[in-house]
Amino acid sequence: AQSVTQLDSHVSVSEGTPVLLRCNYSSSYSPSLFWYVQHPNKGLQLLLKYTSAATLVKGINGFEAEFKKSETSFHLTKPSAHMSDAAEYFCVVSDPNFGNEKLTFGTGTRLTIIP
Amino acid sequence: EAQVTQNPRYLITVTGKKLTVTCSQNMNHEYMSWYRQDPGLGLRQIYYSMNVEVTDKGDVPEGYKVSRKEKRNFPLILESPSPNQTSLYFCASSLSLGFSSYEQYFGPGTRLTVT
Repeated sequence: AQSVTQLDSHVSVSEGTPVLLRCNYSSSYSPSLFWYVQHPNKGLQLLLKYTSAATLVKGINGFEAEFKKSETSFHLTKPSAHMSDAAEYFCVVSDPNFGNEKLTFGTGTRLTIIP
Repeated sequence: EAQVTQNPRYLITVTGKKLTVTCSQNMNHEYMSWYRQDPGLGLRQIYYSMNVEVTDKGDVPEGYKVSRKEKRNFPLILESPSPNQTSLYFCASSLSLGFSSYEQYFGPGTRLTVT
């Protein structure tokens, strides 16, 4: 069975300061991990993904995430927040069962940027 | 432009009145899926389809039907909607969903209210 826990439902940071969105996962296989972003009234967009290559993954808009197997974590970071980063972020784990590589979504973290 | 489209974007209906939400993708993707998004629960998979005429249940299929007669279309059918199906619905597609974990492309969402 697989699961994903986003440790914060809401994160607020000031513009120009670092962003950290935390995600822990549980998976019985070597997982694939994703971060998706959802801006208000929009669909979800892929930020980045980890699929057993480099453990530090770079995504769009300056975001990156580090896969740490020993800690079962895949935290999302950005050195300097921008107002346009305000959105909801979902951590997703993929379990490669035959027939349906099931995606399990976290409950989301809403990121607020303070001017 | 590569995209997933959903219609309608907003729908208010009454209990028991059958409705269909359409989903179409223009990327020749094999895999399509429906999710519902509820506050505090993230996205939960309703149904998915690995290819034409191949569909299967996700995590929350009760009260929903789907069909996949053509590769590009994957409508979601609510035969007798109930208030607990009030939610935000997303259709998604990807090239396939094998071990390489292709990115899923999401539609803009359909906000359904059942009174």
